[in-house]
Formats: sequence, structure tokens, C-alpha cells
Amino acid sequence: DGGITQSPKYLFRKEGQNVTLSCEQNLNHDAMYWYRQDPGQGLRLIYYSQIVNDFQKGDIAEGYSVSREKKESFPLTVTSAQKNPTAFYLCASSTDGKLYGYTFGSGTRLTVV
Amino acid sequence: QKEVEQNSGPLSVPEGAIASLNCTYSDRGSQSFFWYRQYSGKSPELIMFIYSNGDKEDGRFTAQLNKASQYVSLLIRDSQPSDSATYLCAVNLWGTASKLTFGTGTRLQVTL
Repeated sequence: DGGITQSPKYLFRKEGQNVTLSCEQNLNHDAMYWYRQDPGQGLRLIYYSQIVNDFQKGDIAEGYSVSREKKESFPLTVTSAQKNPTAFYLCASSTDGKLYGYTFGSGTRLTVV
Repeated sequence: QKEVEQNSGPLSVPEGAIASLNCTYSDRGSQSFFWYRQYSGKSPELIMFIYSNGDKEDGRFTAQLNKASQYVSLLIRDSQPSDSATYLCAVNLWGTASKLTFGTGTRLQVTL
């Protein structure tokens, strides 16, 4: 079955620690996206990539980093510079978002302990 | 002004009634419009998309688009308790390539 897999489902981060969230898709989609969702604030775009080896900052990129070395994979690192990382993180992919919308993974819930 | 606006709700409707969810957007040149359903603690799921003015029906769901007034609506007929969720409106705003901009969502509660 084609889809997007995010792991882990739950992640706990200690203060000052970097953590990496995994996102893998087998839909053969070119574009991939990372969103953060906080209660009452909807989805906010962190980073996106429209092609391998290229990515752009979204609206809230500070404190995050990404890589896109393979078409299937778009990992997100939450660095210690992100002061308020507790949130629900969603990865999405698309062939053409304008025509078909996005397909979302199941999400990773990150909590600072 | 937010680029995509939705009333956060909750919108409460009795079982069997029609639920009407609304979304307005800022850019008159926007071309495509999507409705996602998100259950609590889960990821968004695409349920409808619309490109042209007018109505588009799919089962109990109807999307309505009025580009002149810059709004898009989602009607849910014969609402069921399983329809209780947050509904996100997403718009491909003019000049943003293939990116979607999401509203904050409207929470729908279908009561017995």
C-alpha cells in the first residue's frame, strides 16, 4: 500500500537536545512538506521541498532543519534553538498540491520533558 | 487579515441535520480549494476539492465555491455523530506555486 510513514508516533525531548523526526513516502511524490500544529493555530509550514536536494523555508523555520537526499525521505530535525517545540508535527507529500492537495502522514507528537 | 479564515466553532448540529461550514480567503486569484477532516489526535484527511464556481457533490458532502465573493463552503447532509471532527479549509493562493495555505479549522459537533 502506498502512503506516508512518520516515526516515531510519540517523542520526548530533553532541554538542549536535538531530535529528528522521520518521514518516508512511497507515493512517488516530488513535493514534501513539514507542518507544525498547535491548538487553535491551524497548520503552520516549517519547511518544504519540491525536488530532491532542494528545500525552502516556510513561515516558522527558525530552530528547525531538514534534508532531502532521497525522493522518498524528508527528515526534520528539531534543534535546541527551537524554544517551544512541544507540538504535533505533520509531514505531507503531493504530486501537485494545486491540483490534488496533500496526503498527510499520521503525525509525530513531540513533548519537551 | 488572515489569508484563509474559518470560524473556530464549535458548530453544533443535531443528528440528521445539515452542517454548513464556511471559509473565506484573501486572494481573488486563488485557483483551487480543499476541505480536510481531522479527528482529534489524528492527521488531516482530504474529503473534497473544488476548482470552479458552483457546487460539487460527493455523497453527503457538497462543496460550494464563489470566487467573486471569495468564499468556499462545505455542506454535510444527514449529519452523523461520526462527522464530529475539525474541518480544515485549504487554498492554493495566487502566486504560491503548488503550496496550500490552511485555515485554523472549524470544530463540528453532531449531537444525538
